Amino acid sequence: QQPVQSPQAVILREGEDAVINCSSSKALYSVHWYRQKHGEAPVFLMILLKGGEQKGHEKISASFNEKKQQSSLYLTASQLSYSGTYFCGTAERIGKLTFGTGTRLTIIP
Amino acid sequence: DTEVTQTPKHLVMGMTNKKSLKCEQHMGHRAMYWYKQKAKKPPELMFVYSYEKLSINESVPSRFSPECPNSSLLNLHLHALQPEDSALYLCASSQVADTQYFGPGTRLTVL
Repeated sequence: QQPVQSPQAVILREGEDAVINCSSSKALYSVHWYRQKHGEAPVFLMILLKGGEQKGHEKISASFNEKKQQSSLYLTASQLSYSGTYFCGTAERIGKLTFGTGTRLTIIP
Repeated sequence: DTEVTQTPKHLVMGMTNKKSLKCEQHMGHRAMYWYKQKAKKPPELMFVYSYEKLSINESVPSRFSPECPNSSLLNLHLHALQPEDSALYLCASSQVADTQYFGPGTRLTVL
């Protein structure tokens, strides 16, 4: 079953903050976050592992609540380049990612 | 270098044709993946190869046939496809249980 993301879409002004949520009904091994721009491949943002280990880059952070099987991606002081569709990818087992429903983020000047 | 390359970039084929998609990575990754993505939808996992062996097949129709000739190459052989198979086909690679890096994809149109 596909993880559910919220919101489905959000429009922000440059410099504003955003939170994107991802919720799964299954016990998770890890959560991965990707951003995909129109016509391009998904680009890795962050991975969160069961047990609290976290990796990522850029000015983006995330959390993973293992008990609730939920993850949130935090974008602070958004830039125009942050526009795109954000997907969480959840893994119940090694190697098998199931992507969430997606959140379309639009940043306007 | 985190580059995964895919060829061709675009492919148009008839329902009776046989074609192949190619994916290559030189990052030393031991896991490679095929995904299918329809417009405005998330990528859907099709196949996973781990150490050059097929480890996951997500009940994909037999008209799609994956092949992993070596640790750097992944092919997807196509035959007798249907128009509903038109989509963006993405390849990804990773160290086992780690971040997946995606290629730019092949946009497939089946007439």
